[in-house]
Amino acid sequence: AQSVSQHNHHVILSEAASLELGCNYSYGGTVNLFWYVQYPGQHLQLLLKYFSGDPLVKGIKGFEAEFIKSKFSFNLRKPSVQWSDTAEYFCAVKRQGAQKLVFGQGTRLTINP
Amino acid sequence: GAVVSQHPSWVICKSGTSVKIECRSLDFQATTMFWYRQFPKQSLMLMATSNEGSKATYEQGVEKDKFLINHASLTLSTLTVTSAHPEDSSFYICSADSGGAGELFFGEGSRLTVL
Repeated sequence: AQSVSQHNHHVILSEAASLELGCNYSYGGTVNLFWYVQYPGQHLQLLLKYFSGDPLVKGIKGFEAEFIKSKFSFNLRKPSVQWSDTAEYFCAVKRQGAQKLVFGQGTRLTINP
Repeated sequence: GAVVSQHPSWVICKSGTSVKIECRSLDFQATTMFWYRQFPKQSLMLMATSNEGSKATYEQGVEKDKFLINHASLTLSTLTVTSAHPEDSSFYICSADSGGAGELFFGEGSRLTVL
């Protein structure tokens, strides 16, 4: 079965630190990849997505992610985090042509001012 | 971006009663909607895929008779938790597929507490 794994359950950083959140998936075919963010008390919002083309995708709020096909990975990065980035981050994968979106376990990010 | 609205945002009910949660796509038509359940500090677990005009497709382990899903129009899907029990207490989230770039849009979620 297709699965998505996020390595870090809770990450704590100071402002201005660099961020990298890991995401790996198990499906071997063509996939669409997403990162969603859930701020406290709010609904999920799309940060960025990868369908095809340049494996380095840029999203909102300075986030980017790199798709490495050989590693089945889609890690999320941000060079300098802010206190307002405190949130829950979810990686999600959809098999191309399929309806289902499968989520990783989520990573809680806490940024200390 | 597209807007998906859920109602109610929170509900408290007695054990044994049924609760209906609505999910509406406000500015687009959604042939497909999804219902997720999220436990505290855990990920979203897909419960079912709801296609307009047809029966929902439930994920393994999800009781069809307990979680009734109806997708009667292109802008509305409902989830009814029948004969609710305390273990059904959870955060229920819907999402809708706009049919464009494959992106899903999520509702605000509905927190159900069964006493």
